[in-house]
Amino acid sequence: EVQLVESGGGLVQPGGSLRLSCAASGFTFSSYWMHWVRQAPGKGLVWVSRINSDGSSTSYADSVKGRFTISRDNAKNTLYLQMNSLRAEDTAVYYCARDPSQNYYDSSGYSDYWGQGTLVTVSS
Amino acid sequence: EIVLTQSPATLSLSPGERATLSCGASQSVSSSYLAWYQQKPGLAPRLLIYDASSRATGIPDRFSGSGSGTDFTLTISRLEPEDFAVYYCQQYGSSPGTFGQGTKLEIK
Repeated sequence: EVQLVESGGGLVQPGGSLRLSCAASGFTFSSYWMHWVRQAPGKGLVWVSRINSDGSSTSYADSVKGRFTISRDNAKNTLYLQMNSLRAEDTAVYYCARDPSQNYYDSSGYSDYWGQGTLVTVSS
Repeated sequence: EIVLTQSPATLSLSPGERATLSCGASQSVSSSYLAWYQQKPGLAPRLLIYDASSRATGIPDRFSGSGSGTDFTLTISRLEPEDFAVYYCQQYGSSPGTFGQGTKLEIK
């Protein structure tokens, strides 16, 4: 059974940093692209970032480019999101999600499995 | 970036009825790269449909997707009590992938 479990969320002051983790199990983590998607309270879904199977290719939404860094440790079956220079508008539940693509060069772009999410609150 | 507009914002129906949800794109979605997700309160989204009309693993056949270009539809043929939720469409034909604002399907 595919499982994705996020952790690392919490309350942080504007300008602060936080690192989210997503522990994966039930599939060959090192073969899949992965995404981070966020959802502000009471709002819709917004794609944040994606990474290929070995971590050599990444992309970001314009709203987080230069502030957030996605990475992965395939030996630990874990996906990360390092978030720096946090702003109030980054407040959201952050989901990690698996892309069904096992193609090294291209993701599918959608997500077939999602974690339960971790809440990040940016406030003074 | 492609903007997706879902309609209606809220749909009030009774169990057993047919639901038709729409997703319109500001530009043509290449290769019909469009997905539909269901989200219940406090839970993660669940993939229903990908590539506009392919059902995801384990999804009942009362859910179907159709459309191409700029107009897409999710149809639930006969509503079950567990189908009342928020539904999102997502295009992934152009980067960045974008989501619609959602349609809330509520019990009438």
